[in-house]
Amino acid sequence: GQQLNQSPQSMFIQEGEDVSMNCTSSSIFNTWLWYKQDPGEGPVLLIALYKAGELTSNGRLTAQFGITRKDSFLNISASIPSDVGIYFCAGISGTYKYIFGTGTRLKVLA
Amino acid sequence: EPEVTQTPSHQVTQMGQEVILRCVPISNHLYFYWYRQILGQKVEFLVSFYNNEISEKSEIFDDQFSVERPDGSNFTLKIRSTKLEDSAMYFCASSGVGDYEQYFGPGTRLTVT
Repeated sequence: GQQLNQSPQSMFIQEGEDVSMNCTSSSIFNTWLWYKQDPGEGPVLLIALYKAGELTSNGRLTAQFGITRKDSFLNISASIPSDVGIYFCAGISGTYKYIFGTGTRLKVLA
Repeated sequence: EPEVTQTPSHQVTQMGQEVILRCVPISNHLYFYWYRQILGQKVEFLVSFYNNEISEKSEIFDDQFSVERPDGSNFTLKIRSTKLEDSAMYFCASSGVGDYEQYFGPGTRLTVT
């Protein structure tokens, strides 16, 4: 089946540093989404991307929809302790079938 | 702010028993979804539902699973004969018309013993 691979799997960073993570697939997706999940809670939508090449920001977060439509990137600038959590990318396949990535676990050191 | 709610928060059941997990989507949303997440793993799509029909389903969503919108507000996931490997967090989500932005509920933790 379709798979989305995220890298890195996990990362420790210092507070104030910028963070980059990416999501790649062997399949083309027409929509990409980025979510954050805190322990014991459901994923929360951060950014939605609808066009190849699109660059969208939400506060300190910036995400890009890759030109090939097979990848997406998320950057977090000036990280703070509450950025800790698991970040998932998701691609939409078919009409309303969402495929989630393997996740990037972020830990921020104060 | 409107939100998706799920009940119960935790369900313990014996293998072979039927369970029904309940969700109340955001009121003006028309697309509904169920996902599961085994502890420490990724979120897995089960099914999407629109206009009282299944739109898409994954390989996980076999004959032991069913979904229903029994009234104007609830959306349910039934597992007919639970197995140990059905133990997971089950998340409900909803989205609006022409809008792929899904909003998730807090989840139901299902434990099958």
